[in-house]
Amino acid sequence: AQSVTQPDIHITVSEGASLELRCNYSYGATPYLFWYVQSPGQGLQLLLKYFSGDTLVQGIKGFEAEFKRSQSSFNLRKPSVHWSDAAEYFCAVGVVSGGYQKVTFGTGTKLQVIP
Amino acid sequence: DSGVTQTPKHLITATGQRVTLRCSPRSGDLSVYWYQQSLDQGLQFLIQYYNGEERAKGNILERFSAQQFPDLHSELNLSSLELGDSALYFCASSEQVRSSTDTQYFGPGTRLTVL
Repeated sequence: AQSVTQPDIHITVSEGASLELRCNYSYGATPYLFWYVQSPGQGLQLLLKYFSGDTLVQGIKGFEAEFKRSQSSFNLRKPSVHWSDAAEYFCAVGVVSGGYQKVTFGTGTKLQVIP
Repeated sequence: DSGVTQTPKHLITATGQRVTLRCSPRSGDLSVYWYQQSLDQGLQFLIQYYNGEERAKGNILERFSAQQFPDLHSELNLSSLELGDSALYFCASSEQVRSSTDTQYFGPGTRLTVL
């Protein structure tokens, strides 16, 4: 069965600093990978997704993620963080099982942005 | 705005009661997914429907049930409620379930409080 690990529960960065959120997955074949963001009291919004092709994926709000098969990772990055980026970020892996896609979410990383 | 709507936004009820949560998927989406998000369990997949038929079950209790109607909206029924059922319940929708490139879009959630 597939699994997703987000090793950092909380991360604090200064506004304007760069950001990298870690995500590691476990799956025998090529997974389909997602990053979602959840602002307080809100639903999950899709930031970006990787299905195939270029391993560097661009998303909304200036985020990007890089798929590294050798490291089983799909880390999320942003060169300069804004205060509005404070939220919880979820990495997810989707696999096709029995003809249907099943998505498993990580436990999330809460991002705090300080002035 | 993902295009997925959920009602009600908040629900407060007592132990032992029964509630119904409603979800309308994005226009054209045939699949609906239900998730429970709590502080101790994180984001847990409950159940998935495709075009009116149940397709996958996750960590859904027997006290919980769901259905998807011909107009594709879905309802999640929670009965014999316990304090531990207090959580955010999310609905997500996607175009089709038989696809490795399917992406789930989340609604804003229903916050259930059981007193």
